[in-house]
Amino acid sequence: GESVGLHLPTLSVQEGDNSIINCAYSNSASDYFIWYKQESGKGPQFIIDIRSNMDKRQGQRVTVLLNKTVKHLSLQIAATQPGDSAVYFCAENGKTGGGNKLTFGTGTQLKVEL
Amino acid sequence: EPEVTQTPSHQVTQMGQEVILRCVPISNHLYFYWYRQILGQKVEFLVSFYNNEISEKSEIFDDQFSVERPDGSNFTLKIRSTKLEDSAMYFCASSPTPNNSPLHFGNGTRLTVT
Repeated sequence: GESVGLHLPTLSVQEGDNSIINCAYSNSASDYFIWYKQESGKGPQFIIDIRSNMDKRQGQRVTVLLNKTVKHLSLQIAATQPGDSAVYFCAENGKTGGGNKLTFGTGTQLKVEL
Repeated sequence: EPEVTQTPSHQVTQMGQEVILRCVPISNHLYFYWYRQILGQKVEFLVSFYNNEISEKSEIFDDQFSVERPDGSNFTLKIRSTKLEDSAMYFCASSPTPNNSPLHFGNGTRLTVT
């Protein structure tokens, strides 16, 4: 049958507010997770990663939280700026110790309103 | 900051023709990958490559696809006989280690098969 493009969930935030983007991952054996940002016409850009032996990791203006019990990952962006507008993908490595065959999530469109 | 570069940015080809997509990975990286993204869909793994061999490939990467590192800097993806459904963004990526390290992506080649 005809393939249908995914309808991306959208998060709209005001400039200066904090953003929280959520991701449910599928493989309980995954032990490495990455958040990527993708701007229109560009490739995925690495933001932050986390290993399964951690539940929180902070970067510059970004924090990733990992809840292995419910297989949930979130990305928090502090003081969101217009330049943060993009599609955000979580990715998992799919298996313990598992190489870099990443499985990407469907993505969330972040829109920053002035 | 070093980056992965891909050429061409856009390739239009007729069904049945061969195409070669080119990539220059980050110079001190040893692990190379191709991913693709059909318009509006997830980023999907195609193949990983190390030490002049395919490390892992997905079910998408059938006999029509091949990869090569023809010299010390380039990494190519060849599609032998393109089909309409091969139309997608193709992303090259590289990483310094095979496990649990972020992949660095290029900006992609948009392949349009007519």
